[in-house]
Amino acid sequence: AQKITQTQPGMFVQEKEAVTLDCTYDTSDPSYGLFWYKQPSSGEMIFLIYQGSYDQQNATEGRYSLNFQKARKSANLVISASQLGDSAMYFCAMREGGDDKIIFGKGTRLHILP
Amino acid sequence: GAGVSQSPRYKVAKRGQDVALRCDPISGHVSLFWYQQALGQGPEFLTYFQNEAQLDKSGLPSDRFFAERPEGSVSTLKIQRTQQEDSAVYLCASSPRRGEEQFFGPGTRLTVL
Repeated sequence: AQKITQTQPGMFVQEKEAVTLDCTYDTSDPSYGLFWYKQPSSGEMIFLIYQGSYDQQNATEGRYSLNFQKARKSANLVISASQLGDSAMYFCAMREGGDDKIIFGKGTRLHILP
Repeated sequence: GAGVSQSPRYKVAKRGQDVALRCDPISGHVSLFWYQQALGQGPEFLTYFQNEAQLDKSGLPSDRFFAERPEGSVSTLKIQRTQQEDSAVYLCASSPRRGEEQFFGPGTRLTVL
């Protein structure tokens, strides 16, 4: 079974609109961390935001926020006021319990239209 | 400050050749990871070092893949007798301590002809 599921292979959004990128995850470990990374065409993975399974509040970092719904095992990324530079691949990822590696989803390609 | 660097950025190999990919982590970072990213896919874990100790190599796809970090800083991923299915981007990441955020390098794009 897929540990991380991103159901949107591609999205087109008008500049300045808000964007929600979907992510669901699957784990039986009560302790885990969820990540979102951005990968522009240059190839480098850029860390955006992190949510711990025991965090009481949804994580926010500037224009990025994570809509964490634990019971639904959902960790959607919300980008407010999108910009042309937001066009990239976005990956949702998870680290389980005491594990060290990160498990990535297949990604969503976001296109911001001028 | 310097981030994670990888070399070469691009490598073309003929099937059957051996290749060596280098990763220079951020200075002082204890943890180092290698991931393989096939075209159109998310990165997949290959192996993990804590200092010079290879703590997890469960993601290495075959015994043709070998990684080392002999002095706990620079790491080399070696692929012997390359096959076409080895074509991918190989990403290296480091983190200051176990369990902390991973910082990724730009990757090495390997093409096996």
